[in-house]
Amino acid sequence: ETGVTQTPRHLVMGMTNKKSLKCEQHLGHNAMYWYKQSAKKPLELMFVYNFKEQTENNSVPSRFSPECPNSSHLFLHLHTLQPEDSALYLCASSPPSGRESYEQYFGPGTRLTVT
Amino acid sequence: GDSVTQMEGPVTLSEEAFLTINCTYTATGYPSLFWYVQYPGEGLQLLLKATKADDKGSNKGFEATYRKETTSFHLEKGSVQVSDSAVYFCALGSGGGADGLTFGKGTHLIIQP
Repeated sequence: ETGVTQTPRHLVMGMTNKKSLKCEQHLGHNAMYWYKQSAKKPLELMFVYNFKEQTENNSVPSRFSPECPNSSHLFLHLHTLQPEDSALYLCASSPPSGRESYEQYFGPGTRLTVT
Repeated sequence: GDSVTQMEGPVTLSEEAFLTINCTYTATGYPSLFWYVQYPGEGLQLLLKATKADDKGSNKGFEATYRKETTSFHLEKGSVQVSDSAVYFCALGSGGGADGLTFGKGTHLIIQP
């Protein structure tokens, strides 16, 4: 049991649509992350939230907009995406600060296809 | 910046063979090192970890030793099974925690009966 859930598991959207990805963790963690996984490329860290505050944005295009209303929920709002944005989007969470905080727990991912 | 390099795949082995997947890294400071596994259609699962030099992480028959002198964290298993077929990712965490991990590209492992 992963403790981190993501919905939807699969999403197909047109370039003019607006959609949102949802992530929820039941582990009592304080940090949450969005990663993008594309074929033949390393996982790309997109956003980091620590205690609901965004602490990292890795030069992600503005068509991706994160939201973290509390430590248990994380959203990724999508609008006017491009076909190259098609990928598996993974959410992760980690414990409070300290060496153990590097240990991240991942959700199953949302497979996004942009048509 | 930090980086992780893994051997290219896919790696195809017969059941009960010995497995080694190489991983080397560059990082500032003293990173924590991880191996994650991704089964088809699923997210990443933590397989094992090591937080300081000479530590050995182990789980489900897999082992990896944190070698600071060679900046390596190679994954090994003595006898693989078909159920070990998956993609394996080496990763490191450095800085102050909650900064995100740096991942390698992943190695696709295929075990044939």
